[in-house]
Amino acid sequence: EDKVVQSPLSLVVHEGDTVTLNCSYEVTNFRSLLWYKQEKKAPTFLFMLTSSGIEKKSGRLSSILDKKELFSILNITATQTGDSAVYLCAPKYNFNKFYFGSGTKLNVKP
Amino acid sequence: EPEVTQTPSHQVTQMGQEVILRCVPISNHLYFYWYRQILGQKVEFLVSFYNNEISEKSEIFDDQFSVERPDGSNFTLKIRSTKLEDSAMYFCASSESTEAFFGQGTRLTVV
Repeated sequence: EDKVVQSPLSLVVHEGDTVTLNCSYEVTNFRSLLWYKQEKKAPTFLFMLTSSGIEKKSGRLSSILDKKELFSILNITATQTGDSAVYLCAPKYNFNKFYFGSGTKLNVKP
Repeated sequence: EPEVTQTPSHQVTQMGQEVILRCVPISNHLYFYWYRQILGQKVEFLVSFYNNEISEKSEIFDDQFSVERPDGSNFTLKIRSTKLEDSAMYFCASSESTEAFFGQGTRLTVV
């Protein structure tokens, strides 16, 4: 059975802290892995990773994929209260199917 | 910036009634999806659609569900006879080939 496990399930930090969110996956016919941020409603796209070991960066956020060990991490440095959200990882596999993990709920306190 | 739009934003329906949720994907996108999220739970895959046919579907997507692209712009999800457990946020998404972009969702409440 395909599965995606994200850890931790929830995290409380203070502004300025650095956080690392984890995503491990077991899916058949893996194609890529996507990270999304979900605040109140729709998930918004952050990163797509297809190759192992190549870091993607966007401002204070960065992510990397390890296709051998089947995991990805999302780092957020110098966290701000606006980073508070649920962070979702979603392997894309088979023809064009995205399977979401349960997410990590991040709460950044002032 | 192009976006996926969904209507209505909130729909309340009686158990057993049919509902149609509507989506307008981003215009040059080729892949379309429906997901649902029951309150407090994870985002669950329902169905993907490409080249005017279903390409993948989950075990949730049973005979009560159907999708259609009736014209060049709309993509609809129909639930034939709603149950209480169909109450959820339904998200439409579209993709050119890589990442998927989500609409703001339709909150379906079955009473």
